[in-house]
Amino acid sequence: RKEVEQDPGPFNVPEGATVAFNCTYSNSASQSFFWYRQDCRKEPKLLMSVYSSGNEDGRFTAQLNRASQYISLLIRDSKLSDSATYLCVVNTGYSSASKIIFGSGTRLSIRP
Amino acid sequence: ETGVTQTPRHLVMGMTNKKSLKCEQHLGHNAMYWYKQSAKKPLELMFVYNFKEQTENNSVPSRFSPECPNSSHLFLHLHTLQPEDSALYLCASSQERESYYEQYFGPGTRLTVT
Repeated sequence: RKEVEQDPGPFNVPEGATVAFNCTYSNSASQSFFWYRQDCRKEPKLLMSVYSSGNEDGRFTAQLNRASQYISLLIRDSKLSDSATYLCVVNTGYSSASKIIFGSGTRLSIRP
Repeated sequence: ETGVTQTPRHLVMGMTNKKSLKCEQHLGHNAMYWYKQSAKKPLELMFVYNFKEQTENNSVPSRFSPECPNSSHLFLHLHTLQPEDSALYLCASSQERESYYEQYFGPGTRLTVT
């Protein structure tokens, strides 16, 4: 099993739709979680951190489910500019043995 | 100044060449990272420096040699690379390694080994 797994997509949805992605992780001791977005041929950019209580930033909502070991990202009222690859990132801890692991990304394409 | 800068943005080198990639961060961070991103593969963490000390080396071949002279600068020295080393090399920084702080990426160096 991969340490961090994402559905690669592509998700192709109409503008205005709501879309959700999940990301599963294998290490139950993982400490912190993030969603990044990466546009074509650009660097990843932090979208939002994922807190235990869940958090919302405008149209974006992130959730953490420690029992089932997944995080999710919900995008409401999607815009054309939301088209990108969304990367799930898991930090397994804070010791020298811990790791920062990126998922392969989920491609999202918003159509007019 | 933008947060994290990388030079050069593009590099083509032969297998016998020696070159260096440079990264500079203007965010006052203490941790810096080198990643490799190949087509259709997830980002692979190569090296981590925390307060100028290398804390992680993820089984990277010795033809890649990092250097971190201070908390703001990070280099990746390249020699006798292979064609499969062609990829986007991304530098990132964060407040520190042992924390919840998020990483900020540079634009990357697109490397082609011929």
